[in-house]
Amino acid sequence: DAGVIQSPRHEVTEMGQEVTLRCKPISGHNSLFWYRQTMMRGLELLIYFNNNVPIDDSGMPEDRFSAKMPNASFSTLKIQPSEPRDSAVYFCASSLTQNNSPLHFGNGTRLTVT
Amino acid sequence: DAKTTQPNSMESNEEEPVHLPCNHSTISGTDYIHWYRQLPSQGPEYVIHGLTSNVNNRMASLAIAEDRKSSTLILHRATLRDAAVYYCIHSSNTGKLIFGQGTTLQVKP
Repeated sequence: DAGVIQSPRHEVTEMGQEVTLRCKPISGHNSLFWYRQTMMRGLELLIYFNNNVPIDDSGMPEDRFSAKMPNASFSTLKIQPSEPRDSAVYFCASSLTQNNSPLHFGNGTRLTVT
Repeated sequence: DAKTTQPNSMESNEEEPVHLPCNHSTISGTDYIHWYRQLPSQGPEYVIHGLTSNVNNRMASLAIAEDRKSSTLILHRATLRDAAVYYCIHSSNTGKLIFGQGTTLQVKP
């Protein structure tokens, strides 16, 4: 299996632009998680889905952030409009079942907003 | 959210065992203990998890205290490739994992 695939690996954009990050979970996994990592705040859970349904989005910082999972093999995290403080590495992870199965992380998308 | 306490950093010599401690005094009876590690420029990687009994796998061993308020991740022979940030997490059955700051492990040749 190719593992969790995220794209793009790097994204540089200007403040105010829309940014879309993409994730393809491992086939057969039914839980998907979006995390953000910065030096100041470490790894933060933004949102997670179970069977394509958002279960907990309490970590989403504000309305500029939105996430969708239209089917079991694809999810997006969108920031509109982007701000410099959104600069971070964004990780997607998937797991086989929701209860205590290991999370498999992608290699992340490094976002820089200038 | 579930909180764990880990030392900020530890050092080890190559080829020697490493014991990484974690306190999780607020753990509930059904929470699992998970360990992940993050190598530079990579996403976190699953290491091991357990509930009450000690666990072993090809990467490491997990020793869980009898009262479950602490655990120790054991790397039996550290290599340079084991240099990483190690995260200890305890979670309910929601599957939601909240990462703390972790322990940065340095391995000296």
